[in-house]
Amino acid sequence: NAGVMQNPRHLVRRRGQEARLRCSPMKGHSHVYWYRQLPEEGLKFMVYLQKENIIDESGMPKERFSAEFPKEGPSILRIQQVVRGDSAAYFCASSLTGTGETEAFFGQGTRLTVV
Amino acid sequence: AQSVTQLGSHVSVSEGALVLLRCNYSSSVPPYLFWYVQYPNQGLQLLLKYTSAATLVKGINGFEAEFKKSETSFHLTKPSAHMSDAAEYFCAVSESGANSKLTFGKGITLSVRP
Repeated sequence: NAGVMQNPRHLVRRRGQEARLRCSPMKGHSHVYWYRQLPEEGLKFMVYLQKENIIDESGMPKERFSAEFPKEGPSILRIQQVVRGDSAAYFCASSLTGTGETEAFFGQGTRLTVV
Repeated sequence: AQSVTQLGSHVSVSEGALVLLRCNYSSSVPPYLFWYVQYPNQGLQLLLKYTSAATLVKGINGFEAEFKKSETSFHLTKPSAHMSDAAEYFCAVSESGANSKLTFGKGITLSVRP
């Protein structure tokens, strides 16, 4: 049973370009979470999705960021017109249920560098 | 709203010494508490979790943590540090009755001296 798969592992974008980060949850998991880790900081919640629905996007920046989790295929975190401040590690996690006690399994992350 | 405080950013111990990593939380409802470990350029791996059963929780790799409601703490301990324990450790909280989104502390880097 493969774990949470994220790709690419490393992504370099020039300012103004778009970044697309992909996350395939563990088999059987329909709950996906995206987190951002800035240097010297812990992970910050961005968005929680359950197949085709955004459940909680309270941590998403209001502009340029969007997320989706289609019926088929991976979850996508999209960042339009990237800026230097978007450089960070982005982690995806999945869980079997959406309740608070459920363990979230993390991918290895995508490290975005904006030059 | 919930929050996690991990005081200090770096702890250094000698191999074989006790490891103690502190975590205090704030939550308006009964919390679920987690400790994750992150090795360089890797994702997070769950060490242990508290979900309102036993207050002393045993995890992988010899780690354990004790939930103390009166102190709003969930400190992580290991009796004897091993070189392979060198990593970054994150304490996190989620809320009972809510979804699984986690609020993390800033993390503590553990170094182990030979």
